[in-house]
Amino acid sequence: EAQVTQNPRYLITVTGKKLTVTCSQNMNHEYMSWYRQDPGLGLRQIYYSMNVEVTDKGDVPEGYKVSRKEKRNFPLILESPSPNQTSLYFCASSFRFGSEQYFGPGTRLTVT
Amino acid sequence: DQQVKQNSPSLSVQEGRISILNCDYTNSMFDYFLWYKKYPAEGPTFLISISSIKDKNEDGRFTVFLNKSAKHLSLHIVPSQPGDSAVYFCAASGVNVNAGKSTFGDGTTLTVKP
Repeated sequence: EAQVTQNPRYLITVTGKKLTVTCSQNMNHEYMSWYRQDPGLGLRQIYYSMNVEVTDKGDVPEGYKVSRKEKRNFPLILESPSPNQTSLYFCASSFRFGSEQYFGPGTRLTVT
Repeated sequence: DQQVKQNSPSLSVQEGRISILNCDYTNSMFDYFLWYKKYPAEGPTFLISISSIKDKNEDGRFTVFLNKSAKHLSLHIVPSQPGDSAVYFCAASGVNVNAGKSTFGDGTTLTVKP
């Protein structure tokens, strides 16, 4: 089944404790992206990757890191999480930039 | 500077009637426009798209219209069904507009009443 998986689905952590949210797709897509969704603010892009080893900042990259060492995986790293990073996070992938994106189920992160 | 705007946070329609969701954008260089639907506790799912070289695209009950001069697109759902109740996001991107970036609107919550 074609899908985007994210782990964990739910995470409660404390300020400053490094964490990684994994994202994997099995569709051989070139383009992958991370978004956060906050109430009333829609989906805001954090980072995106046009292909392996090619990543770039979205609209809200501060406090996040990503890597794209292989085509299927695109982890999101929070080196020192803060409460303002409490949000719902979505990973997405698409065949190419501009085509329809397939979204993962979301990761709800709470930073206390 | 919000480049993609959905000015109606919510819309309520009767089952069987038409639902019209609107989206405005500011950058004339956008090439691709897409609509996504999102149910609670799920990721968004793709609904329909249109490229800047077209002004209309249809897929079953869903039609998207693009008015480039007005920088406006709309999604028409006919007839509306209770299962269409969800949050709808429009999104835009462009090869010559920070290539790689996808910009989403804030979403419109559609409620279809039986």
